Amino acid sequence: GIQVEQSPPDLILQEGANSTLRCNFSDSVNNLQWFHQNPWGQLINLFYIPSGTKQNGRLSATTVATERYSLLYISSSQTTDSGVYFCAVERTSSSNTGKLIFGQGTTLQVKP
Amino acid sequence: NAGVMQNPRHLVRRRGQEARLRCSPMKGHSHVYWYRQLPEEGLKFMVYLQKENIIDESGMPKERFSAEFPKEGPSILRIQQVVRGDSAAYFCASSPRSGVGTEAFFGQGTRLTVV
Repeated sequence: GIQVEQSPPDLILQEGANSTLRCNFSDSVNNLQWFHQNPWGQLINLFYIPSGTKQNGRLSATTVATERYSLLYISSSQTTDSGVYFCAVERTSSSNTGKLIFGQGTTLQVKP
Repeated sequence: NAGVMQNPRHLVRRRGQEARLRCSPMKGHSHVYWYRQLPEEGLKFMVYLQKENIIDESGMPKERFSAEFPKEGPSILRIQQVVRGDSAAYFCASSPRSGVGTEAFFGQGTRLTVV
């Protein structure tokens, strides 16, 4: 099956710093989403981005599907950005069921 | 627009009891997915359902687990005779359709603790 690898596994930042999280995947995809799981366990949609670039406030994401990676940028980080960031993909296949394969996540801690 | 609603948020069961987890998809969504997150792990796909049909259950344990999405009412994930290893967060997601270009929206999850 498709492999989804996220890096780094852990990241500690000072408030105000910028960061880049990476997601590599081993096969072609027709869906890629980024999620933030906050310290209370809630899973929040950040981006639906199978290709191209999107921005939402301090967050932006870029997916280069032909090179099989996606990047999530966090600028001017805040303590509320702490949590686990997951990348999830749906492998391109004839079935196209919408089933997502998740990476293991990047755990981010932003210190005040 | 209400999001994906899951209940209960927290569920405690003794070993051997049954657990029923409910998921109401977003309005207009007819595709439901269940995922499980074991402690310190990422999310793993369990089952994909459309109204009254199981489309893909390749991630569901073969025994004790079942899922349904009836014509009326929420989707139900049922775990019979729970064991400690079933303790996990169970997330439901919904989408308006399957296939290319479909974003999935997740509920807040049900945290099952088996004591």
